[in-house]
Amino acid sequence: AQTVTQSQPEMSVQEAETVTLSCTYDTSENNYYLFWYKQPPSRQMILVIRQEAYKQQNATENRFSVNFQKAAKSFSLKISDSQLGDTAMYFCAFMRGSGSARQLTFGSGTQLTVLP
Amino acid sequence: DGGITQSPKYLFRKEGQNVTLSCEQNLNHDAMYWYRQDPGQGLRLIYYSQIVNDFQKGDIAEGYSVSREKKESFPLTVTSAQKNPTAFYLCASAGHRGTGELFFGEGSRLTVL
Repeated sequence: AQTVTQSQPEMSVQEAETVTLSCTYDTSENNYYLFWYKQPPSRQMILVIRQEAYKQQNATENRFSVNFQKAAKSFSLKISDSQLGDTAMYFCAFMRGSGSARQLTFGSGTQLTVLP
Repeated sequence: DGGITQSPKYLFRKEGQNVTLSCEQNLNHDAMYWYRQDPGQGLRLIYYSQIVNDFQKGDIAEGYSVSREKKESFPLTVTSAQKNPTAFYLCASAGHRGTGELFFGEGSRLTVL
């Protein structure tokens, strides 16, 4: 079974600064996907960024980038130039890359607050 | 616009009553999922369905039931057997071929009085 661990329940950052959210996972699979989802106060889950395990290059989406360390099973999210709208709960998630069941396993989340 | 619609957004239930949460999608996705979210915990999978008329239990299926009679619809019934049903429930869907991304509804908040 896969597990996803987010060891930072809460974090805060000043507007325009950079913050990194940590995530580690445990799996015996070699083919899988990793995700960061954002859940703002509206509670709508929004995909932030996605990484395929077979790709060595770290994924980047505008101000959001990841540091994917496959051997260490680490998948951190870096948010640059933080904005007030980035305030949200952030979830790291794992999905097996093969098999008929495309299930997401989530971490417990990190509540990020961007301070003005 | 394509998306996932959950209803109702808020629901109150007395102990001993069954309630059904609706989830409809017009994304033409094959797979649909129900997750439960509690404070301080991540989302936990209740049930999922890969195809019409077929579904599988997730990690916390006890006290819940589902049906998948139509591709677009995946309702979740919270039965009286569910010992602690007060939670936030999220429905999601995913295409058979794609990036692996799940698309989520806006959620339903169930409170047992």
